[in-house]
Amino acid sequence: GENVEQHPSTLSVQEGDSAVIKCTYSDSASNYFPWYKQELGKRPQLIIDIRSNVGEKKDQRIAVTLNKTAKHFSLHITETQPEDSAVYFCGGGSQGNLIFGKGTKLSVKP
Amino acid sequence: DAGITQSPRYKITETGRQVTLMCHQTWSHSYMFWYRQDLGHGLRLIYYSAAADITDKGEVPDGYVVSRSKTENFPLTLESATRSQTSVYFCASSEPGRKETQYFGPGTRLLVL
Repeated sequence: GENVEQHPSTLSVQEGDSAVIKCTYSDSASNYFPWYKQELGKRPQLIIDIRSNVGEKKDQRIAVTLNKTAKHFSLHITETQPEDSAVYFCGGGSQGNLIFGKGTKLSVKP
Repeated sequence: DAGITQSPRYKITETGRQVTLMCHQTWSHSYMFWYRQDLGHGLRLIYYSAAADITDKGEVPDGYVVSRSKTENFPLTLESATRSQTSVYFCASSEPGRKETQYFGPGTRLLVL
């Protein structure tokens, strides 16, 4: 089955800096890779996703890159703001069945 | 997000008791999922269902039972609760083939004493 590893587990950046979170997956059949943001006490919410037929996707300050050969994908947040502070989860899978990484706690210091 | 709800939102129970967590979605999504979230483990899949009357085990199914008699409901039952089942439980739904995004419910915080 699929296994998703996420690094780092914690990340602290200064406001305005960039943040990068990386994930690797094991199952070459996986074709869908979402990223979720979870604020304290709230539900996970999708912020961006990418499919295996695309190498990069961008939405304002957020971008995701996918390297199918190396089986890894990354979340990039530019110009970080204090409201970006949250736990971020990557996921990998197909046919609606996702395996999630263990999460990265991002802290953005003003 | 209001299309998927969970009840109760908070539950305290005792070891050995049976507990049922409810999940209801109004989107007619075919897939539904149950996850538990624990510190250091992220989101772990307990069970999922591809359609009414079709369910399958996830990563951590032991001690849990699910059913799906109607598309919109996916209850999770702890047949004999244990302290290790203290966790936050999230239900989610999706419609693979059209958009595989999983939409999460608000969660149920369960404490087993």
